[in-house]
Amino acid sequence: EAQVTQNPRYLITVTGKKLTVTCSQNMNHEYMSWYRQDPGLGLRQIYYSMNVEVTDKGDVPEGYKVSRKEKRNFPLILESPSPNQTSLYFCASRLKGWVSGRVTYNEQFFGPGTRLTVL
Amino acid sequence: AQSVAQPEDQVNVAEGNPLTVKCTYSVSGNPYLFWYVQYPNRGLQFLLKYITGDNLVKGSYGFEAEFNKSQTSFHLKKPSALVSDSALYFCAVRDRGSNDYKLSFGAGTTVTVRA
Repeated sequence: EAQVTQNPRYLITVTGKKLTVTCSQNMNHEYMSWYRQDPGLGLRQIYYSMNVEVTDKGDVPEGYKVSRKEKRNFPLILESPSPNQTSLYFCASRLKGWVSGRVTYNEQFFGPGTRLTVL
Repeated sequence: AQSVAQPEDQVNVAEGNPLTVKCTYSVSGNPYLFWYVQYPNRGLQFLLKYITGDNLVKGSYGFEAEFNKSQTSFHLKKPSALVSDSALYFCAVRDRGSNDYKLSFGAGTTVTVRA
């Protein structure tokens, strides 16, 4: 089954304790992204990756790190979590698309989400 | 810069009535536009997209959306709503002329369909 998986689904931690949220996709997609969802703010992009070893900042990258060592995996790292990083996190992937010889923007496939609470 | 506005936090309709969820966007060039739906305790699911061509786009579960360039809108519609359409709906935009790969989402609209 084509899917994006995230682990853990739920995590409660304390301020300053490093954590990693894993993301994996089995669709051979080039692009992957991390978002956080907060009430009234919708989804905001944290980081994205265009391919292996190629990443860039989204709109809210402060306090987060990512890596893309393999095409299928895109972990999100919080080196020193703080309470303002309490949120619902989603990983997403999409295929690089072409229409009439030009790059297009295909739809994203989202993981089930990780609810993070930082005390 | 690109941005999306969903002017209604909530939309309430009776089952069988038409459903409309509003979305307006701002880009410097031409847009890619998307609608996603989120059911409780689930990730987002793709509904439909506008890339180019016909302004009326048909998607999953009987939804459609109309791209209106002059009004910079991309409203989501369904002719006859079902109780199972109750969910959180997100509009998203990307400026086609942008050099990055960012996608901007609206704040979301909660749809409640009453039986």
